[in-house]
Amino acid sequence: NAGVMQNPRHLVRRRGQEARLRCSPMKGHSHVYWYRQLPEEGLKFMVYLQKENIIDESGMPKERFSAEFPKEGPSILRIQQVVRGDSAAYFCASSSGLTQETQYFGPGTRLLVL
Amino acid sequence: QKEVEQDPGPLSVPEGAIVSLNCTYSNSAFQYFMWYRQYSRKGPELLMYTYSSGNKEDGRFTAQVDKSSKYISLFIRDSQPSDSATYLCAMSGAGGTSYGKLTFGQGTILTVHP
Repeated sequence: NAGVMQNPRHLVRRRGQEARLRCSPMKGHSHVYWYRQLPEEGLKFMVYLQKENIIDESGMPKERFSAEFPKEGPSILRIQQVVRGDSAAYFCASSSGLTQETQYFGPGTRLLVL
Repeated sequence: QKEVEQDPGPLSVPEGAIVSLNCTYSNSAFQYFMWYRQYSRKGPELLMYTYSSGNKEDGRFTAQVDKSSKYISLFIRDSQPSDSATYLCAMSGAGGTSYGKLTFGQGTILTVHP
């Protein structure tokens, strides 16, 4: 499967727990983006990363959220001390270094906070 | 005012109809314009990508961009029930803080009935 992979596909957490979402980009892609889709809302940009670098985190909430894309392994979106308002679908996208605007999305992780 | 406005619909058409989907935007820095299709509980799938103004055709799909009016369109000819999905317009700038960051419309829900 050469597409963007995300896991887990579904994640249930209780308030106060941590959520870790993983994303493996398409083969040959070195740029990763995270978006959040809240119920009845459109996709909202969160963060743009390259290997070992955060390029743009202007869409990330100031607290509890962090993202990384290490030299080896998948990109991780981490949400600490989750609250009910964090319940959403989180999508990862990837692109090549030449065409950042053509982004290919993964199937998403649906986070439910109880 | 949102940067990208898209009528959420829902839009219901008979099989074989021509479908017109539209978005308007306010940020004159946008240079790249995309259309995504999203089936229920799936990730967005890139359909069309256009740079600056003009038309682009791919099979039954035609994308139009009018930068002077800040207006983009997606036309679907000979619509099929399998086209039933949510259609999202997305845009990004050519550089600076908006490069690589897609701004989405809310999405239009389309149903094509046999």
